[in-house]
Amino acid sequence: EVKLVESGGGLVKPGGSLRLSCAASGISLFHGWVNWVRQAPGKGLEWVGRIKSIPDGGTTDYASPVKDRFTISRDASRDTLYLEMKSLKSDDTAVYYCCRAVQGVDDYGEGVWHFDLWGRGTLVTVSS
Amino acid sequence: DIQMTQSPSSLSASIGDRITITCRASQSLSRSLNWYQQKPGQAPNVLIYAASRLPTGVPSRFSGSGSGTDFTLTISSLQPEDFATYYCQQTYSTPLTFGGGTKVEIK
Repeated sequence: EVKLVESGGGLVKPGGSLRLSCAASGISLFHGWVNWVRQAPGKGLEWVGRIKSIPDGGTTDYASPVKDRFTISRDASRDTLYLEMKSLKSDDTAVYYCCRAVQGVDDYGEGVWHFDLWGRGTLVTVSS
Repeated sequence: DIQMTQSPSSLSASIGDRITITCRASQSLSRSLNWYQQKPGQAPNVLIYAASRLPTGVPSRFSGSGSGTDFTLTISSLQPEDFATYYCQQTYSTPLTFGGGTKVEIK
């Protein structure tokens, strides 16, 4: 079965740090563009950031609320992605999903990215 | 940042109804617009990508249309398993952004 599995969530105090992991089963993430998306309790989806595939340079992009506090990285030898979170705030409380982005084509042959594979998520609670 | 405005935020419908959800972007996306379905306690699943493309396995009662700034998701005949929350997403430029969601409930 092809799947992504997140781990590392838990309860952390404001100002604390946490590292989430995203591991793949049945596929390799080497060529994958992997994103992190979060969902606060009872709220909608919010993109956190992404890391491009290693062949595409492995660079990262982040949403403004987490830039300079969160870091996405990958360990190619373990085929695992990480989301390092520091200076955590109560607003960061959410379920965090890792998801693979793939490029399909639209009706005119133009490439369009979408998220075709999601993990089940891991809950991060920031509270004193 | 590109803002995504989804409407309605919720709707009540009956089995067999045809429903339409709209998504408006604050700037042109060409066709870089995706739709996801999320059921309680589950991760989202892609329903439509590139505005109108159905991934393998998605029932044909789901359809998407639009380009530029205005997009729609249509369910032609609502089934019991379709009661869920639906999100649009733009992947035209970072930061990638989602609409606020539309919760489809049973009337």
